[in-house]
Amino acid sequence: GENVEQHPSTLSVQEGDSAVIKCTYSDSASNYFPWYKQELGKGPQLIIDIRSNVGEKKDQRIAVTLNKTAKHFSLHITETQPEDSAVYFCAASGRVQGAQKLVFGQGTRLTINP
Amino acid sequence: NAGVTQTPKFRVLKTGQSMTLLCAQDMNHEYMYWYRQDPGMGLRLIHYSVGEGTTAKGEVPDGYNVSRLKKQNFLLGLESAAPSQTSVYFCASSQRIEPQHFGDGTRLSIL
Repeated sequence: GENVEQHPSTLSVQEGDSAVIKCTYSDSASNYFPWYKQELGKGPQLIIDIRSNVGEKKDQRIAVTLNKTAKHFSLHITETQPEDSAVYFCAASGRVQGAQKLVFGQGTRLTINP
Repeated sequence: NAGVTQTPKFRVLKTGQSMTLLCAQDMNHEYMYWYRQDPGMGLRLIHYSVGEGTTAKGEVPDGYNVSRLKKQNFLLGLESAAPSQTSVYFCASSQRIEPQHFGDGTRLSIL
């Protein structure tokens, strides 16, 4: 089955700097790669996603890149702000009967230092 | 819209007790999912449903049962709770090709 590895497990950056989180996946059939942000005591919230027919996607300060050949994808956050502090999860999935069977990475705790 | 609502938010059980976690969504989504989240790990899929009356096993289904009698509700049952099932449980729902929307979780402790 699919296996997703996420690095680093913790990341601390100065406010205004950029943050990069990387994930690798094992199943070449996976075709959907979402990123979720989880704040303390809350459920994960989707921040950006990418499908396998696209190499890069950007939404304001957040961007995701996908390298299908190398089976890795990355989250880039520019001009970081204190409210970006949270735990971030990557995930990968194919589809079974239309359902997304997401396999998550282990998470990255991002801390933005003022 | 409330989105995805999970009940209860917290619960403490004794080993061997049973309980049911309820997930309700008001977005008319076809697909619903149950995950568990343990410290230092990502979420792992327990069971999922592709529509009313259907259920299927995920990555870690042992010790859990589910039912989807109504489209808007997805129930997760523990028949005989074990300490290894202490976790935070998340429910999610989605429409075809759309991202999953998550509830805020049920924190379950089994003593």
